[in-house]
Amino acid sequence: GAGVSQSPSNKVTEKGKDVELRCDPISGHTALYWYRQRLGQGLEFLIYFQGNSAPDKSGLPSDRFSAERTGESVSTLTIQRTQQEDSAVYLCASSSGSGTGVYQAFFGQGTRLTVV
Amino acid sequence: AQSVTQLDSQVPVFEEAPVELRCNYSSSVSVYLFWYVQYPNQGLQLLLKYLSGSTLVESINGFEAEFNKSQTSFHLRKPSVHISDTAEYFCAVTLTGTGGFKTIFGAGTRLFVKA
Repeated sequence: GAGVSQSPSNKVTEKGKDVELRCDPISGHTALYWYRQRLGQGLEFLIYFQGNSAPDKSGLPSDRFSAERTGESVSTLTIQRTQQEDSAVYLCASSSGSGTGVYQAFFGQGTRLTVV
Repeated sequence: AQSVTQLDSQVPVFEEAPVELRCNYSSSVSVYLFWYVQYPNQGLQLLLKYLSGSTLVESINGFEAEFNKSQTSFHLRKPSVHISDTAEYFCAVTLTGTGGFKTIFGAGTRLFVKA
């Protein structure tokens, strides 16, 4: 697609439920990143994919968080047994190692997660 | 370990005053440098970048940044800010290696321009 697409744009869930967030990167972008941004805060790195592998998942805050990427395209971030502190905007970005906009991170609009 | 440090979490400044947002990185390999901006209630977008060539790069709205390899810095400057420059600014570094490439972001600096 023309840009990075994230779905849903908003998600309200009850504490303890599992949620799945989706990211469709720009076609051909090999690198994909997930970040968390709490209200009024900066970017918190969660995980980085190069192709379908995740060489750096050091930012995942707990074993309730997991992510996968398939076909060097779509990625899903899953949060199990959600807690109120998980409330935040989850941002996805993708980038390419070649071509126009090389190494530039293109961000989606984010998924706003609210745990009640 | 590679890292990006933005030394100021918040910078309040009066309209038409100059501003500098500081960014330092640690890396022993070649880097590519970026500044991104996030206006209130909007997504992150590229402000300017350094890939090669002239170490001074400019944006279309009057910001500039200079790559200083010896000081491992990429500070962002504007000689006269506007109210509309109020936003959060993120410095980012892309590292390349045999395993591919990876971008690391700083924590961000919130610029607040006062009338």
